[in-house]
Formats: sequence, structure tokens, C-alpha cells
Amino acid sequence: AQTVTQSQPEMSVQEAETVTLSCTYDTSESDYYLFWYKQPPSRQMILVIRQEAYKQQNATENRFSVNFQKAAKSFSLKISDSQLGDAAMYFCAYRRYNDMRFGAGTRLTVKP
Amino acid sequence: EAQVTQNPRYLITVTGKKLTVTCSQNMNHEYMSWYRQDPGLGLRQIYYSMNVEVTDKGDVPEGYKVSRKEKRNFPLILESPSPNQTSLYFCASSLLGQGAEKLFFGSGTQLSVL
Repeated sequence: AQTVTQSQPEMSVQEAETVTLSCTYDTSESDYYLFWYKQPPSRQMILVIRQEAYKQQNATENRFSVNFQKAAKSFSLKISDSQLGDAAMYFCAYRRYNDMRFGAGTRLTVKP
Repeated sequence: EAQVTQNPRYLITVTGKKLTVTCSQNMNHEYMSWYRQDPGLGLRQIYYSMNVEVTDKGDVPEGYKVSRKEKRNFPLILESPSPNQTSLYFCASSLLGQGAEKLFFGSGTQLSVL
């Protein structure tokens, strides 16, 4: 079965600095999609960024970018110029058709 | 506005008292699913549905039931809740495809079973 592992339960970053959240996954499939979701204290699940496994180019959305290493099955999220509003729980996720799996999450604290 | 409406937002109940958490989407999505979120475990899939009258088990289906009689609705039923079902529950929907489709989430239901 596919698994998603986030090895950092908590991370902290200074405002305006850069932080990287780690994620590894395990699958025998070659076509799949990877996501990062943000969950602020409101509990809302917000899609941050998406990566297609068949694309070598790393996805970027404004201050958010990923480092996708398909052979290593690694999918890290980099947040540049961190803002107080970035404080949240971040979930890495894998999806292939109906199979959707989430990591345990990383709680990000942003210090002013 | 495109949305997934999930009710109630908070629910406290007692062991064995049947309850239903409702989920409705207004985007004509074929795919709907339920997850539970627990500390240290992330979100785990309970059940999913690919269309009306088509449902299947996820990773943690024990103690739960679902139905998909209409395309827009996908209720989660706990016939006899137990304390280990205390959790945060999310409903989600998307178009059906290979997996790239954006998943729309409801606002969550915090359930406490005493």
C-alpha cells in the first residue's frame, strides 16, 4: 500500500526567512499526483501546491515551491519569505485515481 | 459559490447512539469521500464513492456506513458510535479522473463520543 511520511512533527521559522518541510512516499506506480495542503486553526483544508509525477519541472506557486525527486520518492515544500499567516499544519498527500493518502502532518510556527 | 457543506460542525454524543453527519456538494462532482483526522496520523480515508450507488471502503471503514442515493449527497452514518471514533471528520469531493483534480473539503465535524 502507498504510504506518505512526514518526519518533522513540528517546525519553526522566523518571519521573512525560508523553511523547508519534508515528505517522502512509497509507491510502485509511475503515474500519480502529489499535493501539499495547509490547515490553519480554522480547520479549513487549503490546497497549496500540486505536482504531477510525470513532470520533471518542480511546481511553484508564488512563495511556495517544491523539490520533487521522483527516484528518491521525495517531495519537500519550500516556503520563502515566511509570513505570520503561514502558521498552520501542513499535510503532504499522494493521489492516484481513488487512492488518496496523507502524511501525519507538520505543524509550522512562524516567529515574529 | 462552489462548496462542500458539512453538518454539524461540532457534535457530542454518547456511546451507542446512532448519528449521521451530512455532506452535500453543489459542483456536480462524481467523486466524494470521507476522512478522519487524528493527531499523529493525519487524514485517513474511511469510504469513497465514484458515483450514485457506487461506494467502496477506504483504509478505516470499520464502524461506519455511507450511502450515495443522490449525486450531491454523501452522508456518513455511525450506527453505534464508540469512544475510539472521537475524531475530526472531513468530507471532500472532486471530479473523477486520474488524481490531478482539486479536492474540495467541507469545514469538518469535530465528533466526541462519551
